[in-house]
Amino acid sequence: AAGVIQSPRHLIKEKRETATLKCYPIPRHDTVYWYQQGPGQDPQFLISFYEKMQSDKGSIPDRFSAQQFSDYHSELNMSSLELGDSALYFCASSPAGRVIQYFGAGTRLSVL
Amino acid sequence: AQKVTQAQTEISVVEKEDVTLDCVYETRDTTYYLFWYKQPPSGELVFLIRRNSFDEQNEISGRYSWNFQKSTSSFNFTITASQVVDSAVYFCALNGGAQGGSEKLVFGKGTKLTVNP
Repeated sequence: AAGVIQSPRHLIKEKRETATLKCYPIPRHDTVYWYQQGPGQDPQFLISFYEKMQSDKGSIPDRFSAQQFSDYHSELNMSSLELGDSALYFCASSPAGRVIQYFGAGTRLSVL
Repeated sequence: AQKVTQAQTEISVVEKEDVTLDCVYETRDTTYYLFWYKQPPSGELVFLIRRNSFDEQNEISGRYSWNFQKSTSSFNFTITASQVVDSAVYFCALNGGAQGGSEKLVFGKGTKLTVNP
């Protein structure tokens, strides 16, 4: 069965650079969620989209923005990267009813 | 506010032992959902189970079983006859579901399980 696809899997950036993370949800899933997991931490909710509209917002820095496109894929844009942004970024998707969230393999971002 | 507490930070067992991972939650929602996810060393998050607040039936899936007790706000996870492949970090999580509650998952801090041969 198709899973959530995230790209790239690994990303290395310098401080103050920008990064774009992509997420392709499971087919026919209309909701996408983004989470950030720091080293040794639990995943923290950043933002979610339902039918291309933002549906909920968590502790997402103003330097980050995200959107969901007409084909339901989503992108997380991160600017002015800081060392503390180094983390594993997960995308999850869920179908109508939006109860179970299925996670992608994550993008590991390292900011040097 | 919603909160999930996993008091056990790390557990180490020998293969074939049974092990129970504890999860206690707090929420003011009357409808909510509880989850367990597994994060193996490779890093992905794997969905294991969902339980809604109206269904207190325990569930068994192979070597895995879950005990939901609303009276104590607990949703514990037991692995019977543990195997080395069970070594992972296990997260308990909570959300308010899709009917007006918040969809975001609130995770516990996780329990790192190490199963030694």
